[in-house]
Amino acid sequence: AQTVTQSQPEMSVQEAETVTLSCTYDTSESNYYLFWYKQPPSRQMILVIRQEAYKQQNATENRFSVNFQKAAKSFSLKISDSQLGDTAMYFCAFMGAGGTSYGKLTFGQGTILTVHP
Amino acid sequence: EPEVTQTPSHQVTQMGQEVILRCVPISNHLYFYWYRQILGQKVEFLVSFYNNEISEKSEIFDDQFSVERPDGSNFTLKIRSTKLEDSAMYFCASSEALPIQYFGAGTRLSVL
Repeated sequence: AQTVTQSQPEMSVQEAETVTLSCTYDTSESNYYLFWYKQPPSRQMILVIRQEAYKQQNATENRFSVNFQKAAKSFSLKISDSQLGDTAMYFCAFMGAGGTSYGKLTFGQGTILTVHP
Repeated sequence: EPEVTQTPSHQVTQMGQEVILRCVPISNHLYFYWYRQILGQKVEFLVSFYNNEISEKSEIFDDQFSVERPDGSNFTLKIRSTKLEDSAMYFCASSEALPIQYFGAGTRLSVL
């Protein structure tokens, strides 16, 4: 079974600064996907960024980028130029690329990020 | 932009009552899911549904739970006899093709 661990229950950052959220995972699968989802106070789950395990290049989406370390099973999210609208709970999630875990997201515990003006 | 719609946003029910949570997935999507988030805890997978049948379910999804796609647009989660511990946020998600899943805003279920 897969597990996803987010060791930072809460983080805070000043507006315009950079923050990194940590995530580690455990799996025996060789091919899989990793995601970061954002859940603002409205509770809607919004996909921020995804990474395919077979790709060595780290994914980027505007101000959001990841540091994917496959050997270390680490998948951190970096938010640059933080904005007040980035305040949310952030979930790291894993999906296997085959078998029974394909299509099933396994989530971490979440990190509450607060951006201060 | 198309989105997954869930109704109601908040459902209050008495213990032992049946509830149906409704979801309208994005129209061309083929894969449907339900997840649950108990307050303060992580989001947990309940069930996935494809081609009019359950493709995967978790240990949480016991005989009290069922899913249905009654017509071409709705996807429902039924809890037959609610318990206090069923109180949670329930999220519906859909995908056109894996791996990306799009989530609805959730239904908060309160069992009294």
